[in-house]
Amino acid sequence: QKEVEQDPGPLSVPEGAIVSLNCTYSNSAFQYFMWYRQYSRKGPELLMYTYSSGNKEDGRFTAQVDKSIKYITLFIRDSQPSDSATYLCAMLGWSGGGADGLTFGKGTHLIIQP
Amino acid sequence: NAGVMQNPRHLVRRRGQEARLRCSPMKGHSHVYWYRQLPEEGLKFMVYLQKENIIDESGMPKERFSAEFPKEGPSILRIQQVVRGDSAAYFCASSPRRRGTPNKTGELFFGEGSRLTVL
Repeated sequence: QKEVEQDPGPLSVPEGAIVSLNCTYSNSAFQYFMWYRQYSRKGPELLMYTYSSGNKEDGRFTAQVDKSIKYITLFIRDSQPSDSATYLCAMLGWSGGGADGLTFGKGTHLIIQP
Repeated sequence: NAGVMQNPRHLVRRRGQEARLRCSPMKGHSHVYWYRQLPEEGLKFMVYLQKENIIDESGMPKERFSAEFPKEGPSILRIQQVVRGDSAAYFCASSPRRRGTPNKTGELFFGEGSRLTVL
């Protein structure tokens, strides 16, 4: 079982729809959870990050973490064609031994149809 | 304020040649990370460096790959005797502080990547 599982898509929805993207993970040590957006041929950019369980909202984006079932979600409200990109979840744990690298999901390719 | 600068953006090498990828972190950032993204795969951590020090190289292949971040100049990821399987996008990211410490995530800022093609 991979440490982080993410459906690669593509996920195609009409403009204005609510989008739900999610990842599951197996490593209980993960404590920091992030969502990155990556446009084609570009580098990833950080959208949201949360620590431990709970919700965090920023504009049209809401990140949700449920550590009890090892499941994280990114919601996008009022989706726009400019939201079309690949969304990568990423996780980090603190093991005390220098866990300095993020573990990424493979990314979900999202297409917002005008 | 310039972002993370990577060059070259595209590099073509024949099998057996050497590839050198360079990364200049954002101004004021002293922590550099290298990631590799294979086609249809997620980003894979390779190495974490501070100035003149390799902090974590647990993601680096044991042979042919090396990285440095000298006191002056950019960080360099070096791949010797490249093989076709090395073809990938290599991303550099920088951070102003160390990641992975309690209550400190240290946001990573990524460059646009260097795309290596091995013929």
